[in-house]
Amino acid sequence: AQKVTQAQTEISVVEKEDVTLDCVYETRDTTYYLFWYKQPPSGELVFLIRRNSFDEQNEISGRYSWNFQKSTSSFNFTITASQVVDSAVYFCALTNDYKLSFGAGTTVTVRA
Amino acid sequence: KAGVTQTPRYLIKTRGQQVTLSCSPISGHRSVSWYQQTPGQGLQFLFEYFSETQRNKGNFPGRFSGRQFSNSRSEMNVSTLELGDSALYLCASSETSAANTGELFFGEGSRLTVL
Repeated sequence: AQKVTQAQTEISVVEKEDVTLDCVYETRDTTYYLFWYKQPPSGELVFLIRRNSFDEQNEISGRYSWNFQKSTSSFNFTITASQVVDSAVYFCALTNDYKLSFGAGTTVTVRA
Repeated sequence: KAGVTQTPRYLIKTRGQQVTLSCSPISGHRSVSWYQQTPGQGLQFLFEYFSETQRNKGNFPGRFSGRQFSNSRSEMNVSTLELGDSALYLCASSETSAANTGELFFGEGSRLTVL
């Protein structure tokens, strides 16, 4: 069965702190895609990153970075020097045949 | 390029009624997927349409249906509404079938409240 686990329900940090969001997944597929999406209060899910199962290279995009470790089935997401605008719900997702399987989401609150 | 547009943004219905939600995908996108988001169940896949054909369907009762038009716009319908249908309904579009890469672009959703 395909499954995505985001163990952290809520994280609260003070502005400029780093925050790491954990994501652990289960799949029997050898080829799959992992995603992170951000959901601000407005509701739409904003695509952040896609990683395929054959590319374990870590990626950095501005203040965002991702650590994909196939050996531990993890795809963690770090926000460096957090800002108030980073406050949102973040979802990790896994392709599952014809759809995305989403984790439960982690609510990040960044306080000024 | 305009994003995914969903209408209406908010609506209130009573049990037993039916509702139709609309989604206009990004221009050129042929795949439209629908997801239901609730606090208890999280984000769950409803169905996907590609070139006017339903490609895939999630585990929802037959009260949930949809269709896609030749211009790729999609509608979903929920009949005989139940309290548990209260949710944010998100539409997502992609250039190709979402089954391939899952790279989806989401709308802001339609928030349905059933009283």
